Amino acid sequence: EAQVTQNPRYLITVTGKKLTVTCSQNMNHEYMSWYRQDPGLGLRQIYYSMNVEVTDKGDVPEGYKVSRKEKRNFPLILESPSPNQTSLYFCASSPLAGARGAFFGQGTRLTVV
Amino acid sequence: AQKITQTQPGMFVQEKEAVTLDCTYDTSDQSYGLFWYKQPSSGEMIFLIYQGSYDEQNATEGRYSLNFQKARKSANLVISASQLGDSAMYFCAMGMPNTGNQFYFGTGTSLTVIP
Repeated sequence: EAQVTQNPRYLITVTGKKLTVTCSQNMNHEYMSWYRQDPGLGLRQIYYSMNVEVTDKGDVPEGYKVSRKEKRNFPLILESPSPNQTSLYFCASSPLAGARGAFFGQGTRLTVV
Repeated sequence: AQKITQTQPGMFVQEKEAVTLDCTYDTSDQSYGLFWYKQPSSGEMIFLIYQGSYDEQNATEGRYSLNFQKARKSANLVISASQLGDSAMYFCAMGMPNTGNQFYFGTGTSLTVIP
């Protein structure tokens, strides 16, 4: 089954404690991206990657890191989380020449206290 | 810069009636795709419908149709015969194939179907 898998689904952490949210896709898509969703703001892109070892900043990259060492994985790293990073996070993948939209993971609800 | 605008934060519709969710977009690119996603209360993002910028016919997928007016830069979603299960958040998005398929999302419209 074609899917994008994010883990964990829910996470509560404390300010400053490094965390990683994993994302894996099994569709051999070149393009992967991370979004955060906040009420009234829709989905905003954090980082994206067009292929292995190629990553670029989206609209709200501050406080986040990513890596793309393998095509299927695109982890999101928060080196020192802060309360303003409390949000719902989505990973998505799509083919570079896609016309059918992005496949989304199930979402990760992060709370930083 | 690319932009998607959804001006209806919340909408109500009677069960079995049709409803239109508005979406306007702004881009200077000639090649783009327009998408609608549904987000139920469980949180997942569900792809509903796609319209390519060069498509002349409006896209339809079951009860969903996309009213594409290129000159007005609008891509409204029409849901016919609303069902209670249609109550959800709906996002309009634009994909840019010429820039590696980046996606831009609107702020969403919350739809409530009333029995």
